[in-house]
Amino acid sequence: DTAVSQTPKYLVTQMGNDKSIKCEQNLGHDTMYWYKQDSKKFLKIMFSYNNKELIINETVPNRFSPKSPDKAHLNLHINSLELGDSAVYFCASSQASSVNIQYFGAGTRLSVL
Amino acid sequence: DAKTTQPPSMDCAEGRAANLPCNHSTISGNEYVYWYRQIHSQGPQYIIHGLKNNETNEMASLIITEDRKSSTLILPHATLRDTAVYYCIVRSSSGTYKYIFGTGTRLKVLA
Repeated sequence: DTAVSQTPKYLVTQMGNDKSIKCEQNLGHDTMYWYKQDSKKFLKIMFSYNNKELIINETVPNRFSPKSPDKAHLNLHINSLELGDSAVYFCASSQASSVNIQYFGAGTRLSVL
Repeated sequence: DAKTTQPPSMDCAEGRAANLPCNHSTISGNEYVYWYRQIHSQGPQYIIHGLKNNETNEMASLIITEDRKSSTLILPHATLRDTAVYYCIVRSSSGTYKYIFGTGTRLKVLA
């Protein structure tokens, strides 16, 4: 009964392909996030949704498109994959509040060849 | 949100207390201090948070100086499984929900 689960755990694909990463949380939270951790281990936020509404959209290429079908799910679709997209992508969730503790998934390791 | 500064690495003997410092000299009154850790590329794990008072939970203690410009995370009896990168994050209680992760402190617990 993992709280924040991501699929797949590993994703190996060719440049130019389109791929999706799925995230689901069973914590009843109303806010979900996508973070990217590059090869230098810097962890940066990409997007956040609160009640299916986009509230954070950092400077991310248009090839990245998040989709939140409901509060418990936040998927990340990536078009025309590039070598530089290779990274570990983490999903997180929280209950919107002044404290806002975020809980992270195990990550999806994306390798673009 | 205030910026944080942490030492890049620390060692600690197994069974001893690990004291991890964090400097956040530009912190403002409504900003929380959070600590997370990341064990070998797993997802970051929440440890503890505080606003003004010292805090303790089953994992660790958080000591915040009176002027709130620095804090220390204490792992009272470090084990080998505590080897990880520890991140100190400061976030406004009224700001956006995003965390800004720094480079953290790589703690190595030695047998």
